[in-house]
Amino acid sequence: GIQVEQSPPDLILQEGANSTLRCNFSDSVNNLQWFHQNPWGQLINLFYIPSGTKQNGRLSATTVATERYSLLYISSSQTTDSGVYFCAVAPSGNTGKLIFGQGTTLQVKP
Amino acid sequence: ETGVTQTPRHLVMGMTNKKSLKCEQHLGHNAMYWYKQSAKKPLELMFVYNFKEQTENNSVPSRFSPECPNSSHLFLHLHTLQPEDSALYLCASSQQDGVGAEAFFGQGTRLTVV
Repeated sequence: GIQVEQSPPDLILQEGANSTLRCNFSDSVNNLQWFHQNPWGQLINLFYIPSGTKQNGRLSATTVATERYSLLYISSSQTTDSGVYFCAVAPSGNTGKLIFGQGTTLQVKP
Repeated sequence: ETGVTQTPRHLVMGMTNKKSLKCEQHLGHNAMYWYKQSAKKPLELMFVYNFKEQTENNSVPSRFSPECPNSSHLFLHLHTLQPEDSALYLCASSQQDGVGAEAFFGQGTRLTVV
C-alpha cells in the first residue's frame, strides 16, 4: 500500500520563527489533507490540498502531486502552534479513506 | 463546536463490559468512518460506511461492532475488549460524490480498558 512519510519527526522553535514540514507519499493520491492535533486529541483541518498552493493566515501549503510531496509552511510561529501535525492521503476513490503519516511534533517556546 | 460530535469524550471500561461510542455529523455528508489512534502509532482506519452501508472493515476484531442507522449517525459497540484496545477513537465524515472532498473529524473518545 501507499507509504506516507513526514519529516522532521520533532521540531523545536522559538516563538516568531518560521518552519517547513514535509510529507512524502509513494503513489498518486486522490486527496491530501494537513491536520493539527490539539492536546485534547482533536484533529483540526488545516488544508485540503491534493494539488497546488493554498494560504490561510500564517499557514500555507503546497502539494506537488507529480513529485509526490507536500509542504506545510508555518510563519511567525506562536506557542499555540504547538502540537502534532499530520499529513494524510487517500490513494483513490473514497477521499475519506485516509492513510496518515507518523506526524511531526512541534514545540514552540516563548 | 464542530460538525462532527462524539460522545462520550472519555470512557473507562472493564474487559467484561459492553459499551458504545456515538458519533453524529451535522454536515450533510454521506460517508462516515471510524479511526483508531494508539500511543506512538499513526491513525488507522477501522471501518467505512457509504450511504449507511459498510464498505470496508480493515481487519478489525469482532469485539468491535459498528452500526450506521442513517447517514448522520455512527456507533461503535464494544464488548470484551482487551487492555491493548485502549486508544483514542476518532469518527470522521466526508461527502463522496465522485468529485472528492475533505474529511472532518470529531473530538474523539479516549478509551481506557482496565
